[in-house]
Amino acid sequence: QSVLTQPPSVSAAPGQKVTISCSGSSSTIGNNYISWYQQLPGTAPKLLIFENNKRPSGIPDRFSGSKSDTSATLGITGLQTGDEADYYCGTWDSSLSAGVFGGGTKLTVL
Amino acid sequence: EVQLVESGGGLVLPGGSLRLSCSASGFTFSTYAMHWVRQAPGKGLEYVSVVSRDGGLTYYADSVKGRFTISRDNSKNTLYLQMSSLRAEDTAMYYCVLYSSAWRYWGQGTLVTVSS
Repeated sequence: QSVLTQPPSVSAAPGQKVTISCSGSSSTIGNNYISWYQQLPGTAPKLLIFENNKRPSGIPDRFSGSKSDTSATLGITGLQTGDEADYYCGTWDSSLSAGVFGGGTKLTVL
Repeated sequence: EVQLVESGGGLVLPGGSLRLSCSASGFTFSTYAMHWVRQAPGKGLEYVSVVSRDGGLTYYADSVKGRFTISRDNSKNTLYLQMSSLRAEDTAMYYCVLYSSAWRYWGQGTLVTVSS
């Protein structure tokens, strides 16, 4: 069981918007930055969002992040079939001084 | 361009040992802590271990503590993961990761399969 809780799956139609939640605790999301990763089938994870809401260069503004207390949300607008992937949230656990990840959410673009 | 290239994975018997390597380039290796993250087939990401910039500080997940040893050679820009007493549940893709405000750069991974 993962330290961070994500829904196992979400789905939406092309062009629509979807959100993926990530729930933690005061020792994880509550006191640390959250980041989000996209993993396309058969590839390594790729950083999408860092420090709660910042995008690395090359990541389109269709992807956004937010954080409130001990939860965080990834938003994706203008869904494309190429967005079908697994999405993971990650952060530090201050009590462990180690990283933790969510269990992952599979996005299906219908 | 940051590059992380893992090697050393393969098929190993339960109870056996394996050493993974991660060759780094494109950044000043000695100025970053380095991490290992693994992913069992069809499963999510699991944080495994981290080593400080000088190798003096390490952390291990409970699932590998006492069996795995992380180390680095800054003169060779290489990260290692020595794995012993391997179990079936250690079967996974092992990723070498550079953390810079997030787990920013990932290698392509090296697959470890523990099976008889």
